[in-house]
Amino acid sequence: QQQVKQSPQSLIVQKGGISIINCAYENTAFDYFPWYQQFPGKGPALLIAIRPDVSEKKEGRFTISFNKSAKQFSLHIMDSQPGDSATYFCAVCSLGNTPLVFGKGTRLSVIA
Amino acid sequence: EAQVTQNPRYLITVTGKKLTVTCSQNMNHEYMSWYRQDPGLGLRQIYYSMNVEVTDKGDVPEGYKVSRKEKRNFPLILESPSPNQTSLYFCASSPHRPSYEQYFGPGTRLTVT
Repeated sequence: QQQVKQSPQSLIVQKGGISIINCAYENTAFDYFPWYQQFPGKGPALLIAIRPDVSEKKEGRFTISFNKSAKQFSLHIMDSQPGDSATYFCAVCSLGNTPLVFGKGTRLSVIA
Repeated sequence: EAQVTQNPRYLITVTGKKLTVTCSQNMNHEYMSWYRQDPGLGLRQIYYSMNVEVTDKGDVPEGYKVSRKEKRNFPLILESPSPNQTSLYFCASSPHRPSYEQYFGPGTRLTVT
């Protein structure tokens, strides 16, 4: 079954705007909630991750907001730039023997 | 440079012709994994390996085999490829067990005709 649902599937944002990508998960047995960024022709790379005991984590223009009661987390990209155009994947992770589970991805296009 | 390498990067083959995609990492990672990426379906795990000689099925293992005879290498084998295995394949590794931080290779685009 799908443990994490990601939306939207694609997103177009004006340069300087805020990009918001959402994910919802289905159970509570996760230890980390990472976001990966993938540029065309490249493999995904870890962008930022949050633990469930933290409601927000910020790294530069990228922020994860985490809502434990709603079982949702989101990625906010402030002052979006054309160089941010990529596919973004959320994921859920249980430390231990359970593999990482990814959302289906969001293709972000930032236009000038 | 710490990295995960995959070969070949691009491959066009015909139905039924056995092929192997190699994956190698130079970070002494214990955990390695194979994913396939398809439009609208995201990243789906095929097989993973916790350590040498320890492998297990992921979400979509049918039609694939793997082996882990050395820590650094984790080849993906398609014994009899079919068109529905046309996809973009990624190998990934992490230091210990399935961490939230995985290091991905550059990908192998496979087309089966």
